[in-house]
Amino acid sequence: GENVEQHPSTLSVQEGDSAVIKCTYSDSASNYFPWYKQELGKGPQLIIDIRSNVGEKKDQRIAVTLNKTAKHFSLHITETQPEDSAVYFCAAFPWGKLQFGAGTQVVVTP
Amino acid sequence: NAGVTQTPKFQVLKTGQSMTLQCAQDMNHEYMSWYRQDPGMGLRLIHYSVGAGITDQGEVPNGYNVSRSTTEDFPLRLLSAAPSQTSVYFCASSSDPGAEAFFGQGTRLTVV
Repeated sequence: GENVEQHPSTLSVQEGDSAVIKCTYSDSASNYFPWYKQELGKGPQLIIDIRSNVGEKKDQRIAVTLNKTAKHFSLHITETQPEDSAVYFCAAFPWGKLQFGAGTQVVVTP
Repeated sequence: NAGVTQTPKFQVLKTGQSMTLQCAQDMNHEYMSWYRQDPGMGLRLIHYSVGAGITDQGEVPNGYNVSRSTTEDFPLRLLSAAPSQTSVYFCASSSDPGAEAFFGQGTRLTVV
């Protein structure tokens, strides 16, 4: 089955700096790669996604890049703010089911 | 719009007890799924459904049952609770398996 590895497990950044989270996947059939943000006590919420026919996608301060050859994709958050503090999950989508990474706890310090 | 509603939010069970976690969505989504979230392990798929009357197993189905009699509801049943089932459970729905998944607020279950 699909195996999604996510790094780092925790990330502490100063407000205003950038944060990068990286994921790798194993199944080349994966064609959809969403990123979810989970705030304390809440369910995950989609923040951005990318499909396999696109290499990069941006939405304001958030961007995702995909390298299908190397089987890895990354989330980039620029100009981090305290409200970016949360757990972030990457996921891959092979054969009809989402496979999630283990999550990254991001802490933005003022 | 309520989205995905899960009940209860918290539950404590004794080993061997059974219970049902409720999940309802009002977005007319065909695809619904149940995940459990454990520290350091992300979200793992328990069971899913692609429409009323159709369910299938995910990655960690043992000890759980599901049914889907309506588009709106997708309950998860714990048959005989075990301490290993202590976890946070999330229900999600989407219009398609490869589309945005909308998650409920979660149920924190403790089995003692």
